[in-house]
Amino acid sequence: KNQVGQSPQSLIILEGKNCTLQCNYTVSPFSNLRWYKQDTGRGPVSLTIMTFSENTKSNGRYTATLDADTKQSSLHITASQLSDSASYICVASGSARQLTFGSGTQLTVLP
Amino acid sequence: NAGVTQTPKFRVLKTGQSMTLLCAQDMNHEYMYWYRQDPGMGLRLIHYSVGEGTTAKGEVPDGYNVSRLKKQNFLLGLESAAPSQTSVYFCASSYRVSDRGQETQYFGPGTRLLVL
Repeated sequence: KNQVGQSPQSLIILEGKNCTLQCNYTVSPFSNLRWYKQDTGRGPVSLTIMTFSENTKSNGRYTATLDADTKQSSLHITASQLSDSASYICVASGSARQLTFGSGTQLTVLP
Repeated sequence: NAGVTQTPKFRVLKTGQSMTLLCAQDMNHEYMYWYRQDPGMGLRLIHYSVGEGTTAKGEVPDGYNVSRLKKQNFLLGLESAAPSQTSVYFCASSYRVSDRGQETQYFGPGTRLLVL
């Protein structure tokens, strides 16, 4: 069964600090890895999409990495802001219409 | 552009009642999806559509029906609501999917459904 695990479940950091969120997946076949940001009461918004051949992709202060050999990904947030408080969801895609979603990491950025 | 919109935002139903959730997108996307999100779980695909007049089952289709009569609209129906269908429902849309499925899915704001 395809699965995506995320850690930590929740994280609290101070504004301006960096943090790294982890994701591991067992999806076969594997095509791409995505990270979404979901604000409370809103729908998810795409941050990055990486194919199995890509190791890293950035979107502003967000940098995602992918190790397809160990089936792990990370999302690094630099110089956190209050607006970064949200749930970050890792998604592994096996085919065009098979997305397996993680349960998310709830990030809280405090002033 | 409004992107993806969902109607209603919140609804309370009694067990056995029926309702329809409406999703609309103005990005001319071919593909549309319905997901449900439950506490502590990842989003799960209910049904999806690859074009006007077509629908297909996702991971958790039981108890739901869908229709895509117009390209811009995707309806999710509950014929006889059950408490287990209490959830937040998200609609998403995307362009035609490539072989590697690298399309970006754009999500609506969600519909909160409570079944008593």
